[in-house]
Amino acid sequence: EAQVTQNPRYLITVTGKKLTVTCSQNMNHEYMSWYRQDPGLGLRQIYYSMNVEVTDKGDVPEGYKVSRKEKRNFPLILESPSPNQTSLYFCASSLSFRASYNEQFFGPGTRLTVL
Amino acid sequence: QKEVEQDPGPLSVPEGAIVSLNCTYSNSAFQYFMWYRQYSRKGPELLMYTYSSGNKEDGRFTAQVDKSSKYISLFIRDSQPSDSATYLCAMSAPGNQFYFGTGTSLTVIP
Repeated sequence: EAQVTQNPRYLITVTGKKLTVTCSQNMNHEYMSWYRQDPGLGLRQIYYSMNVEVTDKGDVPEGYKVSRKEKRNFPLILESPSPNQTSLYFCASSLSFRASYNEQFFGPGTRLTVL
Repeated sequence: QKEVEQDPGPLSVPEGAIVSLNCTYSNSAFQYFMWYRQYSRKGPELLMYTYSSGNKEDGRFTAQVDKSSKYISLFIRDSQPSDSATYLCAMSAPGNQFYFGTGTSLTVIP
């Protein structure tokens, strides 16, 4: 089944404790992206990657890191989480950024709480 | 000013009603306009997409884009309880990132 998977689905942590949220897709997509979703603010892009070893900042990159060493994986790293990073996080992928339009496929989401 | 504005609702309608959802935007470079549906505790799923201005129909759903007014709409005919979800509009320019509205929460009452 074609899908985007994220782990963990739920995470409660404390301020300053490094964490990684994994994202994997099995559709051979070139483009992958991380979003956070907050009430009243909608989906905001954190980072995106157009291909392996190519990443760029979205609208809200502060406090986050990403890496794209393999085509299928795009982990999101919070080196020192803070309470304002409490949010619902979505990973998404699409076939290629070169095309004019690509449907984005979203993962199931990771609900993160930072105490 | 936000790139995309969407009324958050919530919107509550009886089963069978026609639902109208709307977004406005400010960036005239946007050419691709999308509507996503998001059920509770799930990721967004693409419902419809439209290129440039015009209408697109898919079953009970119709998407309209008016680029001159920078206004897009989604109409749902004969609404069903299974349509209860949050609807997000999204837009992009060629090769650029996506911008999402805040989402409108819809409840269809049986």
